[in-house]
Amino acid sequence: EVQLVESGGGLVKPGGSLRLSCVASGFTFSSYSMNWVRQAPGKGLEWVSSISRSSGEINYADSVKGRFTISRDNAKNSLYLQMNSLRAEDTAVYYCANRIDDGMDVWGQGTTVTVSS
Amino acid sequence: DIQLTQSPSFLPASVGDRVTITCRASQGINSYLAWYQQKPGKAPKLLIYSASNLQSGVPSRFSGSGSGTEFTLTISSLQPEDFTTFYCQQFNSYPLTFGGGTKLEIK
Repeated sequence: EVQLVESGGGLVKPGGSLRLSCVASGFTFSSYSMNWVRQAPGKGLEWVSSISRSSGEINYADSVKGRFTISRDNAKNSLYLQMNSLRAEDTAVYYCANRIDDGMDVWGQGTTVTVSS
Repeated sequence: DIQLTQSPSFLPASVGDRVTITCRASQGINSYLAWYQQKPGKAPKLLIYSASNLQSGVPSRFSGSGSGTEFTLTISSLQPEDFTTFYCQQFNSYPLTFGGGTKLEIK
């Protein structure tokens, strides 16, 4: 079965850190660029970050640049998002997704990050 | 940054209706656009990629068209399971951006 499974979400205080993980199965992880997308409660979708197949190209939304770091380990079929200096506005469900042509095909079930004191 | 404006934000409709959702880009994005459907509490599902290509397994009642700055998602005959929220997303340039969403509601 083709799937992505996220983990690592939780409750953290403002200024704190979390590391999200996303494990792929059922497809050749190393053949796809990967993305993190988030959705704040009751809001729309927001792209967070992308990483190319070999990690040679990385991009971030301005809202997280300098605070979040995306990485991947193709040997472990895993994608990561290190989130530092977290703010209340980072509260959201975080999804990982792969990219095919001009679309994001496989999505994880999401992991919830809550930033609150 | 490229802004995507979806219209309408809310669309009352009935089962069997033909509906069209529009996504307008603030600058030309060729055909680098995708459409997603999202049900409450679930991850988005890819419906259309590269503006007009139907993703495998997606019912043929969904279709996409457009290029440049104006795109449409059409559902030819609404089914009960289609009353959810739809988003467009551009892949022309970073930062990748989504439209604000269109929620289909039962009339």
